[in-house]
Amino acid sequence: AQSVSQHNHHVILSEAASLELGCNYSYGGTVNLFWYVQYPGQHLQLLLKYFSGDPLVKGIKGFEAEFIKSKFSFNLRKPSVQWSDTAEYFCAVKDTDKLIFGTGTRLQVFP
Amino acid sequence: DAEITQSPRHKITETGRQVTLACHQTWNHNNMFWYRQDLGHGLRLIHYSYGVQDTNKGEVSDGYSVSRSNTEDLPLTLESAASSQTSVYFCASSAGPDTQYFGPGTRLTVL
Repeated sequence: AQSVSQHNHHVILSEAASLELGCNYSYGGTVNLFWYVQYPGQHLQLLLKYFSGDPLVKGIKGFEAEFIKSKFSFNLRKPSVQWSDTAEYFCAVKDTDKLIFGTGTRLQVFP
Repeated sequence: DAEITQSPRHKITETGRQVTLACHQTWNHNNMFWYRQDLGHGLRLIHYSYGVQDTNKGEVSDGYSVSRSNTEDLPLTLESAASSQTSVYFCASSAGPDTQYFGPGTRLTVL
């Protein structure tokens, strides 16, 4: 079965800093990958997803992620974070019709 | 607008009591999922359903049950609540192997 690893558990940044959150999945072959965000007190929302095609995926709010098959990775990036990006970020991989989630990365952005 | 709702949003119960958490979606999605979210574990799948009368066990199904009598609802029942089941519970739905839409969550405390 698929599994997902998020190695950064807690990231603290100042506004305008660049962000990269790591995500690695276990199996090769065809994969569908997702990044979800959970703002404080809210439910999970989809940031972006990769199914096929261009490995550089653009999402909402200036986020992007790059699928690197050879590294089994799907890292999330943003060139300049804002205080409003403070949230928990979850990487997920599709396993049949189920999603397997990583343990999440808590991002705190200070003004 | 289509949505997914959960009730109650907060629940406090005692060990040994039966508890039912409601999930209702108006997306007309076939697939519905229940997750629990715990610090350090991310989201873990409890049960899921691919359609009416279909239910399947997830990663952490012990002590939980679901039933699917219509498309819109997938109630989650804790047969005999235990303190280890104190958690935040999220319901989600999807049309197929694509984006899952999440409800606002239910915070359950078992004393």
